[in-house]
Amino acid sequence: LAKTTQPISMDSYEGQEVNITCSHNNIATNDYITWYQQFPSQGPRFIIQGYKTKVTNEVASLFIPADRKSSTLSLPRVSLSDTAVYYCLVGSLYSGGGADGLTFGKGTHLIIQP
Amino acid sequence: DTGVSQNPRHKITKRGQNVTFRCDPISEHNRLYWYRQTLGQGPEFLTYFQNEAQLEKSRLLSDRFSAERPKGSFSTLEIQRTEQGDSAMYLCASSLALDNEQYFGPGTRLTVT
Repeated sequence: LAKTTQPISMDSYEGQEVNITCSHNNIATNDYITWYQQFPSQGPRFIIQGYKTKVTNEVASLFIPADRKSSTLSLPRVSLSDTAVYYCLVGSLYSGGGADGLTFGKGTHLIIQP
Repeated sequence: DTGVSQNPRHKITKRGQNVTFRCDPISEHNRLYWYRQTLGQGPEFLTYFQNEAQLEKSRLLSDRFSAERPKGSFSTLEIQRTEQGDSAMYLCASSLALDNEQYFGPGTRLTVT
């Protein structure tokens, strides 16, 4: 049973806000939610991490409802350079979780058009 | 420190040969991870170390694969008797033990002919 489910692809336009939702119905109490971005021929890059409610940093926001069974990555005012694959991970080695928290899945291929 | 480095960046080998990849993590990071990624798929966890101890290995990691981190700094991943199905990007990442944020290297692309 997959730990996370994301849309395979999404399209948007420059200047728009993009929201990518990840479902994780079986999230455990100690699990964190982490999002990575990956460009072709590069390793993934950490975007944001959260446990509950809302987290914001300089590049994105992460919204987590009270039941924590889903999360939404929000990218404000996207540009062409935000075209990439976005991965949602659920788990935590920090709090004693196993490596199944390191399952990237297929991610969401976000395409930004002019 | 400029981040995680991996060498070589590209490797072409013939089926049946052995190959070894090296990863140099960020110096203060005590955790080091190896992943494999094929086209169109996300990175697939292979194994990870905390300092020199190998703490977990994926069930998908066959006995032809071995990883070491002898002094708790750099790591090597060796594939023996390579097969065409081993062709992939091999990614290394590092992190602090008390942190889920992983920093990835650029990867080593392996092509087995």
